[in-house]
Amino acid sequence: GPKVLQIPSHQIIDMGQMVTLNCDPVSNHLYFYWYKQILGQQMEFLVNFYNGKVMEKSKLFKDQFSVERPDGSYFTLKIQPTALEDSAVYFCASSRDWGGADTQYFGPGTRLLVL
Amino acid sequence: GEQVEQLPSILRVQEGSSASINCSYEDSASNYFPWYKQEPGENPKLIIDIRSNMERKQIQELIVLLDKKAKRFSLHITDTQPGDSAMYFCAAMGNYQLIWGSGTKLIIKP
Repeated sequence: GPKVLQIPSHQIIDMGQMVTLNCDPVSNHLYFYWYKQILGQQMEFLVNFYNGKVMEKSKLFKDQFSVERPDGSYFTLKIQPTALEDSAVYFCASSRDWGGADTQYFGPGTRLLVL
Repeated sequence: GEQVEQLPSILRVQEGSSASINCSYEDSASNYFPWYKQEPGENPKLIIDIRSNMERKQIQELIVLLDKKAKRFSLHITDTQPGDSAMYFCAAMGNYQLIWGSGTKLIIKP
């Protein structure tokens, strides 16, 4: 089926540093999402993105977070500066349409550890 | 914000029997309800979904039921096998975001 790729698979950084998580969505998809999952817990919505704009974001999407997809390249989540509580697995997802019209496909996740 | 409640958090069933997971949602405008299976260290994978114009959907041993009036939906796995052991998440599509349940750890006992 459709595949979403995420780079890197693992990242370890020191608190206060910047990190960029990269997502390569399914090629004909137009809607992109980031989720955060702390080990063993539920997926928590961070943000969704369409046509170059953030459509909706949750309270977990702090001011230190930003997303972009310059010129159809990777859809990125940047955290600057990072904090200890940012340690989690971050999943990217994409869909062709949004809402009830289409399925979100998930990438394999990036495991972020902030020391 | 909007919530999706999922129960039970842990479910142990004998191999070959059925397993049922129940979810409820708050937003009456929700119109899409996927179920995801997540194995340790893996990403969540869609196993079955149901849209608001349906009440029941079955794919092989997976059955989902949707009761829009009660704002409840459920997953039933018939004839469970060891490979069904995993975390299962329900979700409901709100405005632009997928709101997730807290997950059910399904353990299939041999």
